[in-house]
Amino acid sequence: EVQLVESGGGLVQPGGSLRLSCAASGFTFSSYEMNWVRQAPGKGLEWVSYISSSGSTIYYADSVKGRFTISRDNAKNSLYLQMNSLRAEDTAVYYCARVEGGTMVLDYWGQGTLVTVSS
Amino acid sequence: NFMLTQPHSVSESPGKTVTISCTRSSGSIASNYVQWYQQRPGSAPTTVIYEDNQRPSGVPDRFSGSIDSSSNSASLTISGLKTEDEADYYCQSYDSSNHWVFGGGTKLTVL
Repeated sequence: EVQLVESGGGLVQPGGSLRLSCAASGFTFSSYEMNWVRQAPGKGLEWVSYISSSGSTIYYADSVKGRFTISRDNAKNSLYLQMNSLRAEDTAVYYCARVEGGTMVLDYWGQGTLVTVSS
Repeated sequence: NFMLTQPHSVSESPGKTVTISCTRSSGSIASNYVQWYQQRPGSAPTTVIYEDNQRPSGVPDRFSGSIDSSSNSASLTISGLKTEDEADYYCQSYDSSNHWVFGGGTKLTVL
């Protein structure tokens, strides 16, 4: 069974940093592209970042470019999101999501981890 | 870059049919596949339609998707509505900058 479990969320002050993790199991993690998608409280989905299966190709939404860094450790079946210079508008549930092979479909999602940026 | 615009909310009675639209602001809707995700309260999204009109296994055939080049939009149609279909629905596509693009979401109420 495919499982994605996010962790690392919490309360952080504006300007602070946080590192999210996503532990993958039930599939060959190293073969799949991955994304981070976030959802502010009561709002819609917003794509955050993409990483290829090898980690060699990375993309970011304009809203987080220069502040967030996506990475992965295929040996540990883990995906990461390093978030720096956090702002109130970064407050959201952050989901990791798997890309179905050969498509642009996010076929499996984790349950999300809440990041709250507030003083 | 483009935006995907969805109605904020729709409502319909059980057993009826509802259609949710997703209009692309620039560029052709046919340029990149459209996916539809269902999100129930407190849960992560799940795919109900992928590549414009394909249903994942396990999704009832009451769910169907289409695109219309004349209106530059995609549509999700749910027939034989059930109370369990009540959820938020998001369309999603992909732009030339290698960015995933989501619509703003539509709250479906089955009353």
